[in-house]
Amino acid sequence: SQTIHQWPATLVQPVGSPLSLECTVEGTSNPNLYWYRQAAGRGLQLLFYSVGIGQISSEVPQNLSASRPQDRQFILSSKKLLLSDSGFYLCAWSVLWEGASGANVLTFGAGSRLTVL
Amino acid sequence: GQNIDQPTEMTATEGAIVQINCTYQTSGFNGLFWYQQHAGEAPTFLSYNVLDGLEEKGRFSSFLSRSKGYSYLLLKELQMKDSASYLCAVKDSNYQLIWGAGTKLIIKP
Repeated sequence: SQTIHQWPATLVQPVGSPLSLECTVEGTSNPNLYWYRQAAGRGLQLLFYSVGIGQISSEVPQNLSASRPQDRQFILSSKKLLLSDSGFYLCAWSVLWEGASGANVLTFGAGSRLTVL
Repeated sequence: GQNIDQPTEMTATEGAIVQINCTYQTSGFNGLFWYQQHAGEAPTFLSYNVLDGLEEKGRFSSFLSRSKGYSYLLLKELQMKDSASYLCAVKDSNYQLIWGAGTKLIIKP
């Protein structure tokens, strides 16, 4: 079966410090991978998505970056965090869901709650 | 611009029925999704509609009217564990997902 792991679950970082969030997927090959951010009272915001190793598309210009060094590994990074980077970060992968008329359904990791002080 | 509207919060009683509405204005339409998200947890997939009509899945049903840009999620026989946020998302003409802010559903005994 397919599983998605995301870590760390929570972290508190000072402004200006670096960030690294990691996500790995098991049980599938060449998944589409996504990084989302969720702020309180707002919809999920797509940050990055990847359709393959080394292929990253950025949806929102900001001080975050993403990398996909291996097929099933997706990393979200920052060199210098800002206060506005605080939020709930979610990694996801998509799969064609049988019984959903061929829709690509997102499966999310458990999330990483980042507080920047 | 693209917009998804859902009520911010709803309250219902255990055992009752509740309908959560979602209206959308997007550039094109390629399907509508409902996800459930318990507090502090990740969203999980509930339902998908691409054609007009009702999709039933146990206690949960989802309805779509493309001409009206409208969907609803119907939850029957409410249980305390249904207390969660319900997220509506629409896939636009570029196959990008546009997300609503979610509806927080509070179930009272």
